[in-house]
Amino acid sequence: RKEVEQDPGPFNVPEGATVAFNCTYSNSASQSFFWYRQDCRKEPKLLMSVYSSGNEDGRFTAQLNRASQYISLLIRDSKLSDSATYLCVVGEGFKTIFGAGTRLFVKA
Amino acid sequence: NAGVMQNPRHLVRRRGQEARLRCSPMKGHSHVYWYRQLPEEGLKFMVYLQKENIIDESGMPKERFSAEFPKEGPSILRIQQVVRGDSAAYFCASSDGQGATEAFFGQGTRLTVV
Repeated sequence: RKEVEQDPGPFNVPEGATVAFNCTYSNSASQSFFWYRQDCRKEPKLLMSVYSSGNEDGRFTAQLNRASQYISLLIRDSKLSDSATYLCVVGEGFKTIFGAGTRLFVKA
Repeated sequence: NAGVMQNPRHLVRRRGQEARLRCSPMKGHSHVYWYRQLPEEGLKFMVYLQKENIIDESGMPKERFSAEFPKEGPSILRIQQVVRGDSAAYFCASSDGQGATEAFFGQGTRLTVV
């Protein structure tokens, strides 16, 4: 089993749609969780950290379920500019582990 | 405060040549990760290094690929006798080794083997 698993997609959604990405991790001792965004031909950049109580940043909501070892990212009111690859990232001790990413295409 | 610096940004090599990719981590970071990304595919983990140590090289091909992170200087990913299939973007990320803090990526080196 991979350490961090994501549905590769792609997800094709119309503008204004709500889309959810899921991610599972294998190590129950993982301590920190993030979502990164990667635009085409660019490097990944931090989108948001994920806190145990769940957190929101504008149209983006991140949730963590430690019992199920599951992280989610919800994007509301999708914009064309949200088209990118979204990577789930898990920190365990001194190691940071990246998922392979889920591709999102938002269409007009 | 410079971010993660990778060079060169673009590298063209003929089949059979060697490719050397460099990564200077962010100031204060002693942990470096290398990833490979083929066109239209996701990031694939290659190797994780700490200063002078390889911590996890489970994603590195067994032949032709090697990585180091010396006490002084950048981390180097070396590919010997390159083949067309090595053409990809190679990203480096660095962190301070505290898993609770984010890792930062360089802009990548795009290797083209002709």
